[in-house]
Amino acid sequence: DTGVSQDPRHKITKRGQNVTFRCDPISEHNRLYWYRQTLGQGPEFLTYFQNEAQLEKSRLLSDRFSAERPKGSFSTLEIQRTEQGDSAMYLCASSLEAGTGNNEQFFGPGTRLTVL
Amino acid sequence: AQKVTQAQTEISVVEKEDVTLDCVYETRDTTYYLFWYKQPPSGELVFLIRRNSFDEQNEISGRYSWNFQKSTSSFNFTITASQVVDSAVYFCALTRDRQTGANNLFFGTGTRLTVIP
Repeated sequence: DTGVSQDPRHKITKRGQNVTFRCDPISEHNRLYWYRQTLGQGPEFLTYFQNEAQLEKSRLLSDRFSAERPKGSFSTLEIQRTEQGDSAMYLCASSLEAGTGNNEQFFGPGTRLTVL
Repeated sequence: AQKVTQAQTEISVVEKEDVTLDCVYETRDTTYYLFWYKQPPSGELVFLIRRNSFDEQNEISGRYSWNFQKSTSSFNFTITASQVVDSAVYFCALTRDRQTGANNLFFGTGTRLTVIP
């Protein structure tokens, strides 16, 4: 399978706990995005990596959220001190470099987070 | 500011009927890209089509067709002879055409299509 993969697919946690999600993009894609999707809404942008550099963050990404892409391959998204409002589907997407004419983003299956 | 409006929240059609999903967008950029994605019950977003702002040609792919009109800022999606497998939430999305920096997608709220057998 050469698509975008995410782990875990589901996570249930208690309020106040920390959680970490992993995303493995398509191997030749150097652009990686994290989005959050709540029920009945479209995905909303959280943050963007070009190779290992985190170049943009949305105002949705509070101080409790941190993301890394240490070697420009897989990425992790950590949420500290989770709150019930963090319950959502967290989606990862990857794409080729801009200017290649192939800038469509390919999405992983998502990690569904439930905070009790 | 980038904004995508999908006014149709839910649509139900009987199998084999044609259905059009509407998408209206707002942007101040002169170059941009528009996309349609399908989200079946499994949850994974599936890329359907990309269109850049300079290409207003309509596109047909099998039972799917897209009508892009810059004059009305619309990018509508038609499914011909709908099938039960078309049941999903469909998202229209917009992104800037940036060579550097994020080309993050701005999504509409989606249209839930139910095809009744």
